[in-house]
Amino acid sequence: EGDLVESGGDLVQAGESLRLSCRASTFIFGNPAMSWVRQAPGKGLEWVSAISEGGATYYADSVKGRVIISRDVSKSTLYLQMNSLRVEDTAVYYCASRGGGKYYWGQGTLVTVYS
Amino acid sequence: DIQMTQSPSSLSASVGDRVTITCRASQDFDDFLAWFQQKPGKTPKLLIYAASTLQSGVPSRFSGSGSGTDFTLTISSLQPEDVATYYCQKYYHAPWAFGQGTKVEIK
Repeated sequence: EGDLVESGGDLVQAGESLRLSCRASTFIFGNPAMSWVRQAPGKGLEWVSAISEGGATYYADSVKGRVIISRDVSKSTLYLQMNSLRVEDTAVYYCASRGGGKYYWGQGTLVTVYS
Repeated sequence: DIQMTQSPSSLSASVGDRVTITCRASQDFDDFLAWFQQKPGKTPKLLIYAASTLQSGVPSRFSGSGSGTDFTLTISSLQPEDVATYYCQKYYHAPWAFGQGTKVEIK
């Protein structure tokens, strides 16, 4: 098992909601900046959202207003609440973490949205 | 927003060649720059972070350099298993933007 483990990906219908989780190992100390990235089939990597060390949140224009990034420090877990899902949100979603002078990257979870 | 531009978009080189991929940022930023390798059908693999720090387990023929706005990934001696698409990414000051990728093939 890696430093970051994503879960929550599923097959859902357009318009539905989904919550992704990313659990960080105890080796990632403190309150690191974390991010979600996605890759649609056959496409490049696309940044989706980030949360800073201080809790400020940021979103790509493609998802702004439809997703919410959050974290539970006590559970070392990052979340991405995705609402009003669209077919074009179909992708593998990865989480990443910047902290302690290092950078960590997960193995991804697949979200498939059908019409 | 800072844009990341990679060049070339693709390259073909012989086994044993030295290969260089460039990533240029539209503005200066702290050296939170990562390089990824993605083989067909596989998850992206983190090769280098902090512009020049080799991720554990990555072969030493890979190296990263640069600062400010210009960064470079070098493969000192291209091997058949290095066929992949390579991406750079800044991971500081949202958006944590990616370059468009460089496809590396064997000649």
